Amino acid sequence: QQQVKQSPQSLIVQKGGIPIINCAYENTAFDYFPWYQQFPGKGPALLIAIRPDVSEKKEGRFTISFNKSAKQFSLHIMDSQPGDSATYFCAAKGGGGNTGKLIFGQGTTLQVKP
Amino acid sequence: SQTIHQWPATLVQPVGSPLSLECTVEGTSNPNLYWYRQAAGRGLQLLFYSVGIGQISSEVPQNLSASRPQDRQFILSSKKLLLSDSGFYLCAWSDLTSGRAGYEQYFGPGTRLTVT
Repeated sequence: QQQVKQSPQSLIVQKGGIPIINCAYENTAFDYFPWYQQFPGKGPALLIAIRPDVSEKKEGRFTISFNKSAKQFSLHIMDSQPGDSATYFCAAKGGGGNTGKLIFGQGTTLQVKP
Repeated sequence: SQTIHQWPATLVQPVGSPLSLECTVEGTSNPNLYWYRQAAGRGLQLLFYSVGIGQISSEVPQNLSASRPQDRQFILSSKKLLLSDSGFYLCAWSDLTSGRAGYEQYFGPGTRLTVT
């Protein structure tokens, strides 16, 4: 119930392609869903996040699509660039409380070929 | 603006030696603080979190402990390191009273620990 399942584990696309990373969850109490981008040897950086009352959110070339009934959400990267090559993590936060704890997916390693 | 620092950046320690990793946050008050460990090529495992000074919650039983002696300081310790303690240790903070969702969690640069 507390897991977030992320797929695929790795992904290779050509420059300009639209990689899609998917996450699924079971706990309907989750109320916040962020995506993080991590480059080798660096800490993860918050990329974009969505609340369950919104079906889509765009920030620049990054879009989150959220399907509450299916308990799934995904990250789309438009016009992908070699600089987008990184590991991406989805996460979810349980509702209520003051801990702010996030549960992370296992990560997707993205390679964008020039 | 808020910044988060971790040190040291890298550390090589023998098995059985003690450990102390430090994390400090600037530009915010009473943040929630978190310690994560990331094994090579793996996801993020939450080790400890703290909602205030002296308040520490452990997520997994292990060879590590955490302390929060000051509002914006979070320390990860071990009395005797094991080989399995090797990994990339990340500190993060969030401020549930801030704007936007208030749930945003921001990570430090990490400490690479190798136990030999």
